Amino acid sequence: EAQVTQNPRYLITVTGKKLTVTCSQNMNHEYMSWYRQDPGLGLRQIYYSMNVEVTDKGDVPEGYKVSRKEKRNFPLILESPSPNQTSLYFCASMRGRRDTQYFGPGTRLTVL
Amino acid sequence: AQSVTQPDIHITVSEGASLELRCNYSYGATPYLFWYVQSPGQGLQLLLKYFSGDTLVQGIKGFEAEFKRSQSSFNLRKPSVHWSDAAEYFCAVGVTNFGNEKLTFGTGTRLTIIP
Repeated sequence: EAQVTQNPRYLITVTGKKLTVTCSQNMNHEYMSWYRQDPGLGLRQIYYSMNVEVTDKGDVPEGYKVSRKEKRNFPLILESPSPNQTSLYFCASMRGRRDTQYFGPGTRLTVL
Repeated sequence: AQSVTQPDIHITVSEGASLELRCNYSYGATPYLFWYVQSPGQGLQLLLKYFSGDTLVQGIKGFEAEFKRSQSSFNLRKPSVHWSDAAEYFCAVGVTNFGNEKLTFGTGTRLTIIP
């Protein structure tokens, strides 16, 4: 089944404790993105990747890092999480330019 | 910069009634547009999309949307809603900018269905 998977689905952590949210897609898609969803703000792009080893900032990159060492994986790294990063995070992938983005199930992160 | 406006934060509709959710976009180039639905505790599911061609597009679950360039709108419609349609609906415009393929989302419309 074609899908985007994320782990963990739920995470409660404390300020400053490094964490990684994994994202994997099995569709051989070139493009991958991370979004965060906050009430009243919709979804906003954090980082994106056009291919292996090619990543760049989206609209709200502060406090986040990403890497793309393999085509299928695009982990989101929070080196020192803070409470304002409490949010619902979505990973997405798409085959190519001007195409449909497919979303993972989301990761609900709470930073205390 | 591109933007998407969904003017209705919350809409309540009776089961079996018709539905229209409004979406207006601002984008300098030819847009490609999407509607996604998010059920409680779930991810985002694509309902339909417009890239070019016929301005009336059909989607899943009996939804349709009409692209009106003159009004910069892409409203979502359904002739008869079901209780299972209760969810949050997001309109999005696809943007290509220096290699970044990004979706700019509206803030969403929460749909409540009453018996």
